[in-house]
Amino acid sequence: EVQLVESGGGLVKPGGSLRLSCAASGFTFSNVWMSWVRQAPEKGLEWVGRIISKIGGGTTDYAAPVKGRFTISRDDSKNTLYLQMNSLRTEDTAVYICATHHTEATLGSWGQGTLVTVFS
Amino acid sequence: EIVLTQSPGTLSLSPGERATLSCRASQSVSSSSLVWYQQKPGQAPRLLIYGASSRATGIPDRFSGSGSGTDFTLTISRLEPEDFAVYYCQQYGSSPRYTFGQGTKLEIK
Repeated sequence: EVQLVESGGGLVKPGGSLRLSCAASGFTFSNVWMSWVRQAPEKGLEWVGRIISKIGGGTTDYAAPVKGRFTISRDDSKNTLYLQMNSLRTEDTAVYICATHHTEATLGSWGQGTLVTVFS
Repeated sequence: EIVLTQSPGTLSLSPGERATLSCRASQSVSSSSLVWYQQKPGQAPRLLIYGASSRATGIPDRFSGSGSGTDFTLTISRLEPEDFAVYYCQQYGSSPRYTFGQGTKLEIK
């Protein structure tokens, strides 16, 4: 069974940094593309960024609101996905969810998310 | 940037009824790139339909997807109590890579 467990969320002031982790199990993590998606309180889903498998090149791609501030990485030896968030803004407040890619276009399995609150 | 607009915002129906949810794109979208998810309160989203009309593994056949170009539809033929949730469409494109609609809340009438 696919399991994705996010951690690392919390309270941070504007301009601060946070690193989120997503521990994966139940599948061959190294072969799978992964994305981060966020959901602001009482709002819809917003894609944050994606990292493809190392065998596919390991490249990353980001949504415009976070490009240059957020960095996605992966440690295939630990079956873990990361999201490094710098220069945080109040509008980054959201639950951050990691997800596997079922296909290039499709997010297959999702974690429950970890809450990041940016406030002064 | 392609914008997805879902309608209605809220749909109130009774168990046993048919639900029709719409997702309209601001530009033509490849059918292979149109996806539907279900999200229940406090739960992670769940993949329902990919490629506009293919059901994901384990999804009951009362769920079906259709459409092409700019207009896509998710149909639930006979609502079960567990189907009341928020539904999101999503498309895969160039920039941004993945865009979601704002969601349709399906509530019990």
